[in-house]
Amino acid sequence: AQSVTQLGSHVSVSEGALVLLRCNYSSSVPPYLFWYVQYPNQGLQLLLKYTSAATLVKGINGFEAEFKKSETSFHLTKPSAHMSDAAEYFCAVSARDDKIIFGKGTRLHILP
Amino acid sequence: EAGVTQFPSHSVIEKGQTVTLRCDPISGHDNLYWYRRVMGKEIKFLLHFVKESKQDESGMPNNRFLAERTGGTYSTLKVQPAELEDSGVYFCASSRKYEQYFGPGTRLTVT
Repeated sequence: AQSVTQLGSHVSVSEGALVLLRCNYSSSVPPYLFWYVQYPNQGLQLLLKYTSAATLVKGINGFEAEFKKSETSFHLTKPSAHMSDAAEYFCAVSARDDKIIFGKGTRLHILP
Repeated sequence: EAGVTQFPSHSVIEKGQTVTLRCDPISGHDNLYWYRRVMGKEIKFLLHFVKESKQDESGMPNNRFLAERTGGTYSTLKVQPAELEDSGVYFCASSRKYEQYFGPGTRLTVT
């Protein structure tokens, strides 16, 4: 069985500050891990994915995430927040070629 | 390459009516998935097609939901009769292997 826990349904950071969105997962098989973003009135967009290659994964728009097996974590970071990063972010897990299990989402607010 | 498309983008129906949602996957993608997000809840898996066959329908909430995939191309999700709790956003995704590409979703409102 697989599950994802996102810590914090809402996170606020100041423009230019570090963005850190936390995600912990549980999986009985080697996981594939994802971060998706949903901007207002848009669909889900893949930010980045981990598929058992490099543990530090770089994605679009300056985001990256690090897979830490010992901590069962896959936290999303960005060094400097932009106003355009305001959106809802979803951490997700799946087994190969299988359904995706999503976390409940974290809404990121950027303060001017 | 065109992305996953979904139709309609919004649908407002009354309780007891029927609604059919359509998803057109990326050409060549054998895997097609349906998910939905009910207000305030997480995005949840509904079912998975491989070509025209249902691989996994463990997430379908009840028998008011019927999904089909004609000839392994587009898919439809019919809700009959619709209930208030069916309101939410229905996402479709397709994949060739493990990376799923999502459509923009259909927002369904049952009044």
